[in-house]
Amino acid sequence: GAGVSQSPRYKVAKRGQDVALRCDPISGHVSLFWYQQALGQGPEFLTYFQNEAQLDKSGLPSDRFFAERPEGSVSTLKIQRTQQEDSAVYLCASSPGLAGASDNEQFFGPGTRLTVL
Amino acid sequence: AQSVTQPDIHITVSEGASLELRCNYSYGATPYLFWYVQSPGQGLQLLLKYFSGDTLVQGIKGFEAEFKRSQSSFNLRKPSVHWSDAAEYFCAVGPPAYSGAGSYQLTFGKGTKLSVIP
Repeated sequence: GAGVSQSPRYKVAKRGQDVALRCDPISGHVSLFWYQQALGQGPEFLTYFQNEAQLDKSGLPSDRFFAERPEGSVSTLKIQRTQQEDSAVYLCASSPGLAGASDNEQFFGPGTRLTVL
Repeated sequence: AQSVTQPDIHITVSEGASLELRCNYSYGATPYLFWYVQSPGQGLQLLLKYFSGDTLVQGIKGFEAEFKRSQSSFNLRKPSVHWSDAAEYFCAVGPPAYSGAGSYQLTFGKGTKLSVIP
């Protein structure tokens, strides 16, 4: 079946532009995560949704970052006034149940590579 | 705060040789432990996970990992590497369910890049 998809796969933005990154999780998955992966680093947590509720946004690096999942399926990560340090791969992951369940695997999308010039 | 250390940034092995990738973690309790693989341009794929029970866990693609509580380690092994195993490998920890944490994000190490010589 279809996995997690993300679009666009690549995005180039000029500094100061706003960008929107989309995540289509696996159908029916309750939990959705966003991670940021800088070059040469491991993914770092940004935010977590349980259905439409954003339960944790402690990893968002600044108030320029905003995420939503209004209908509990597709999610959008928006970055306002992009800066060069925002350049990274943004990964989305979904899992079928509530986060923390011992058999709850996170399924990752291919990511969106954002380059800010 | 939790952390994951993967001391080897890059490892090169010959095809058919054995492999061990190291992972050490720092956590207040025994976390859930994971190994993921990432091929270029691809998302992360779960290789195996440890929650409790037998400390030697088997995963996909012939990988296994051993949890050693006394060493806070979760090293990944494979007895015979194939050229298709060339990729980046990430160790990750997540809070156990009983921690009561508000969310259950994974904390990743910086990764080990594996190169395979034919």
